[in-house]
Amino acid sequence: AQSVTQLDSHVSVSEGTPVLLRCNYSSSYSPSLFWYVQHPNKGLQLLLKYTSAATLVKGINGFEAEFKKSETSFHLTKPSAHMSDAAEYFCVVSVAGNMLTFGGGTRLMVKP
Amino acid sequence: GAGVSQSPSNKVTEKGKDVELRCDPISGHTALYWYRQRLGQGLEFLIYFQGNSAPDKSGLPSDRFSAERTGESVSTLTIQRTQQEDSAVYLCASSWGFLAKTYEQYFGPGTRLTVT
Repeated sequence: AQSVTQLDSHVSVSEGTPVLLRCNYSSSYSPSLFWYVQHPNKGLQLLLKYTSAATLVKGINGFEAEFKKSETSFHLTKPSAHMSDAAEYFCVVSVAGNMLTFGGGTRLMVKP
Repeated sequence: GAGVSQSPSNKVTEKGKDVELRCDPISGHTALYWYRQRLGQGLEFLIYFQGNSAPDKSGLPSDRFSAERTGESVSTLTIQRTQQEDSAVYLCASSWGFLAKTYEQYFGPGTRLTVT
């Protein structure tokens, strides 16, 4: 069985400040981990993915995430938030490959 | 190239009616998935098709829900005798399936279903 917990349902930051969205996972086997972003009234877009290669993964739009097996975490970060980053972010785990298990989502708000 | 497409984009129906939602996956993708996203919540897995194998229906919430897929192309999700709790966005995704190492899924824009 696998599960994902996103520790914050809402995160608010000021433009230009760092972003940290937290994610912990539970998995019986080596997982693949993903972060997806969902802008209002738009489809889900893949930000980045971890598949047992480098533990620090770089994605689009300046986002990156670090896989920490000892902490079962896969937190998403960005050094400097932009207004266009305001969206819903989902941490996702996959083990068998035939199904994604989604976290509950974190809504990121960016203040000017 | 074209992404995953879904139709209709919005559907309003009366309680008790049947609805059909359509998904056109990316050409060549062998795997197709349906998810449900209730307001303010994450995605719930509904059903998964991989090539000609029997679908994984483990996520379907009741026998009112069913889905079909013709070969490795279009899929239809059918909800019979709709209830108000069926109101949600229904998302379809496709992937290369077992042909790919990472199982990355590409999502369509969704169908917003409202049951009145």
